[in-house]
Amino acid sequence: EVQLVESGGNLVQPGGSLRLSCAASGFTFTTYEMNWLRQAPGKGLEWVSYISTSGRSVYYAESVKGRFTVSRDNAKNTLYLQMNSLTAEDTAVYYCARDPLLGFGELSSTGAFDIWGQGTLVTVSS
Amino acid sequence: AIRMTQSPSSLSASTGDRVTITCRASQPISSYVAWYQQKPGKAPNLLIYVASTLQSGVPSRFSGSRSGTDFTLTISRLQSEDFATYYCQQYFSYPRTFGQGTKVEIK
Repeated sequence: EVQLVESGGNLVQPGGSLRLSCAASGFTFTTYEMNWLRQAPGKGLEWVSYISTSGRSVYYAESVKGRFTVSRDNAKNTLYLQMNSLTAEDTAVYYCARDPLLGFGELSSTGAFDIWGQGTLVTVSS
Repeated sequence: AIRMTQSPSSLSASTGDRVTITCRASQPISSYVAWYQQKPGKAPNLLIYVASTLQSGVPSRFSGSRSGTDFTLTISRLQSEDFATYYCQQYFSYPRTFGQGTKVEIK
């Protein structure tokens, strides 16, 4: 079964740090680009970060740039998100998502997320 | 960042109704739009990509279309399991951005 399982969410104080993990199984992790997204309580979806298959290319939302770092260990089939300098605005359920090549011909592209984890809750509060 | 303006924010409908949700992109994005369904407490589920291609396993009552920078998700005959929140997303450029969501509720 194709599966993503996040872990590492917790209650953390403002200014603190946390590292999230996303364990992949049931597919060849090394061949897929990956992303982190989040959803604040009662709010919509927000894309957070992207990482290429090799890990050499990464992108971040402006809201987390300079504070969050995405990485992957292809030998362990695991994606990570290191979160530093956390604020209350970072409180959310964090999802990892697979980013496959979808579409046909000229319109084939990555960027639509076909497999999501169940999410892990990060609460930033004193 | 590209803004995706989704409407309506909520709607009430009955089983069997035809439902239409619209997203307008703030600039041209070709057909790089995906639609997701999300039920309470669950992760989003990909329904459509490249504006109109149905993801494997998604019922054919779901369809997507594009007219310029306007994108539409249509549910032809609403079923009980379709009551959920729907999001559009552009993947023409980074940052990836989502519409605000449309909550489809039972009338």
